Amino acid sequence: EVQLVESGGGLVQPGGSLRLSCVASGFTFRTYWIHWVRQVPGKGLVWVSGIKSDGSSTSYADSVKGRCTISRDNAKNTVDLQMNSLRVEDTAVYYCTNLPMAQSLDVWGRGTTVTVSS
Amino acid sequence: DVVMTQSPLSLPVTLGQPASISCRSSQSLVHSDGNTYLNWFQQRPGQSPRRLIYKVSNRDSGVPDRFSGSGSGTDFTLEISRVEAEDVGLFYCMQATHWPRTFGQGTKVEIK
Repeated sequence: EVQLVESGGGLVQPGGSLRLSCVASGFTFRTYWIHWVRQVPGKGLVWVSGIKSDGSSTSYADSVKGRCTISRDNAKNTVDLQMNSLRVEDTAVYYCTNLPMAQSLDVWGRGTTVTVSS
Repeated sequence: DVVMTQSPLSLPVTLGQPASISCRSSQSLVHSDGNTYLNWFQQRPGQSPRRLIYKVSNRDSGVPDRFSGSGSGTDFTLEISRVEAEDVGLFYCMQATHWPRTFGQGTKVEIK
């Protein structure tokens, strides 16, 4: 089955850290960019970060730049998002997705919830 | 950053009637490779998003042909020829031409 499965979300205090993970199966993971997209409940989708298929290039939204690091292990079919100095406004459901640019398989995970609160 | 502006933000429609969502970008979405990377996504209540349309007008596999996309440059449209009950939810445009990737605010489609 083609899928992406996120984990690592939870409740953390402002200033704390979390490491989100995304595990892929059922498709050629190593050929795709992988991205994190977040969504505050009841609000819209916001792109957070992306990493190239071979890990040689990364990109971040300004809102998380300097606080988050994306990485991948193609041998394990995983992408991680290390989130530091978390803020209340980082509270959201975080989705892992491949966001293909052209005709290709479009895969989204079910999301993992991050809550930043004291 | 490229700002994506959708309208309307709320769209009540009658079953079987057409619906149209506009998406405008603050910059041209024509990539240096000549392609225009404008996607449309659907998010049904309680579900993850899924892509409907890529590169302006190409339907993804399994997407009903009542969905169509059009446009160029900075002005794009998603049309549903005859709305069905399963179309209720949120629709987002997203540009993948420029970094960072950006989404529109979302349009909520509901049945009257």
